[in-house]
This record gives sequence, structure tokens and C-alpha cells, in this order.
Amino acid sequence: KQEVTQIPAALSVPEGENLVLNCSFTDSAIYNLQWFRQDPGKGLTSLLLIQSSQREQTSGRLNASLDKSSGRSTLYIAASQPGDSATYLCAAARPAGNKLTFGGGTRVLVKP
Amino acid sequence: NAGVTQTPKFRVLKTGQSMTLLCAQDMNHEYMYWYRQDPGMGLRLIHYSVGEGTTAKGEVPDGYNVSRLKKQNFLLGLESAAPSQTSVYFCASSYGRGRTGNEQFFGPGTRLTVL
Repeated sequence: KQEVTQIPAALSVPEGENLVLNCSFTDSAIYNLQWFRQDPGKGLTSLLLIQSSQREQTSGRLNASLDKSSGRSTLYIAASQPGDSATYLCAAARPAGNKLTFGGGTRVLVKP
Repeated sequence: NAGVTQTPKFRVLKTGQSMTLLCAQDMNHEYMYWYRQDPGMGLRLIHYSVGEGTTAKGEVPDGYNVSRLKKQNFLLGLESAAPSQTSVYFCASSYGRGRTGNEQFFGPGTRLTVL
């Protein structure tokens, strides 16, 4: 059974600092890995998807890496801003049905 | 494009009542999913569908039924609601296998309270 873990559960940084969010998974036979952002009381917004054959994916200030052999993915957010404050979730997809197993999330606070 | 929409946004039920949550997507996605999100438990898959007329159980299917009569719609039913089903319910959709991406797109959620 796939298990996805995100540590730490919460993180506070000053504005301008780079954010590093960690995600680990137990089963390396994943189809893809997806990072989401969730604001309080809102739905999930997809940030990046990394296919199992890829090592990293970039979008603007966001960069996500994937190392299947070690069961890890890392989301980097450069030059953080107060608007980046949210909960960030990673999810590993199983090959059959593209079903997602979610981590518990990391709640990020960027202080002005 | 509206993306993934969910109806209703909020609902309060009494124990034993029934209701249906509606999910609609306009992206021509083959796959659709229902998740629930609970404090301390994260997001868990209830049921999913890999195409019109098909459904399958996820991680926490007990107490729920689903139907996918049209490709764009995925219904989640609670036949006899219980307080343990108080949660936020999210619908999602994605392309099927053989397509690049397979990114899942989520709806805004339905907040359900069972008294």
C-alpha cells in the first residue's frame, strides 16, 4: 500500500526566502507525482505534475524534482511572497486508474 | 471552460437522510474521482470511474454509491447519512492513460455536515 509523507507539517519563513517542501513515498511504482496548493476553505489547485520518467518540472518560481529510487520529491519555491502562504499537498498516482494517494500537507506561512 | 463544478456547495443533513452530490466537468476527461478530506486524515479516495458506465471502489467506499451515466457527470450518493460522513467532498477529473499529463483537476468542494 502506498504511503505518502510530508515533513514538516508546518513551516514559517520570512518573505524573500526560498521554500523547500519535502514529500516521500513508499512505493516507487508511481505513474506520476502531483503537487497542489490549497487555500483555507478552498479546493485544490494543481501546481506541477512530474511524470514517472521525468526528473524535474518547472513553472515560474516553482521547481519540483522527483527521485523514484529514493522515494522522494521536493518542491522549491524561489523568493517566497506572502501570497505563497497556503497548504501544499503532494500526491502519488498509481498506474491503474491514475488514483492519487495524498500526503498530509505542509502548511506554509510567509511573513512580510 | 468551467472546469470541474460541484453541486451543492454546502449541505446539512440529519442522520438517516439521503442526498446526492453532483460533479460535472467540461474537459472531456475519461477519468473522474470522489475524495473526502478530514482533519488529521487528509484526502482519501471514495470511488472513481475510468469511463462512462464504469465505477470502482477506492480506499473508503462504505456508505457511498456512485454512478457515471454520462461522461461529463459523476454522482456520489449517501443512502443513509451518518455523522461519520461529515466531511468536505471533492470531485476531480483527468484524462485516461495514453495521454500525456494525466493531471487531476479538482472542483471547489462540498461541505457536508450530518447531525
